[in-house]
Amino acid sequence: IAGITQAPTSQILAAGRRMTLRCTQDMRHNAMYWYRQDLGLGLRLIHYSNTAGTTGKGEVPDGYSVSRANTDDFPLTLASAVPSQTSVYFCASSDDLNTGELFFGEGSRLTVL
Amino acid sequence: GQNIDQPTEMTATEGAIVQINCTYQTSGFNGLFWYQQHAGEAPTFLSYNVLDGLEEKGRFSSFLSRSKGYSYLLLKELQMKDSASYLCAAVDSNYQLIWGAGTKLIIKP
Repeated sequence: IAGITQAPTSQILAAGRRMTLRCTQDMRHNAMYWYRQDLGLGLRLIHYSNTAGTTGKGEVPDGYSVSRANTDDFPLTLASAVPSQTSVYFCASSDDLNTGELFFGEGSRLTVL
Repeated sequence: GQNIDQPTEMTATEGAIVQINCTYQTSGFNGLFWYQQHAGEAPTFLSYNVLDGLEEKGRFSSFLSRSKGYSYLLLKELQMKDSASYLCAAVDSNYQLIWGAGTKLIIKP
């Protein structure tokens, strides 16, 4: 059982480059999320999707975009990476946006130089 | 604004009991989660409380007081593998999760 798969696991990127973090789930969950986790801060929601075809902005959406073409995939794109986007990115999914338990991917560690 | 407060770090001894506190201020409230996160790994679900009281699940218990905006996670019979960060997250009126920064728990032999 794979659950949620993220790729890449780790990436070093030059500032100004475009980067897409991939996220795929096999649990047929409706809701999916992208968080970033920085030292000393709680998880911060970047974007979310209640169901395929819909997306919404979270707490820190600037500089990021997402798409939800189907139930399983929820890629996160940095159009032009900046050093402040250096972080660990977690993709998560849940059965139900309303209080459903979140299942997390293993994370993608991104360093922007 | 919305805020979650929990201690940054705690230390406890193997075999002992530890209580990790969490206070929250949110616009509306629809429940509180506790997650465990080992270093370099993804968070994993521990508990969810929406009603006042204590929920027990093996060595771990979680308590909620809605009137006080307060929750705690109680870990009994501590084991070395319990060394991890414990994340508190409250669900606001829009069903968004507001996360605390996490409490790093260090277990000593």
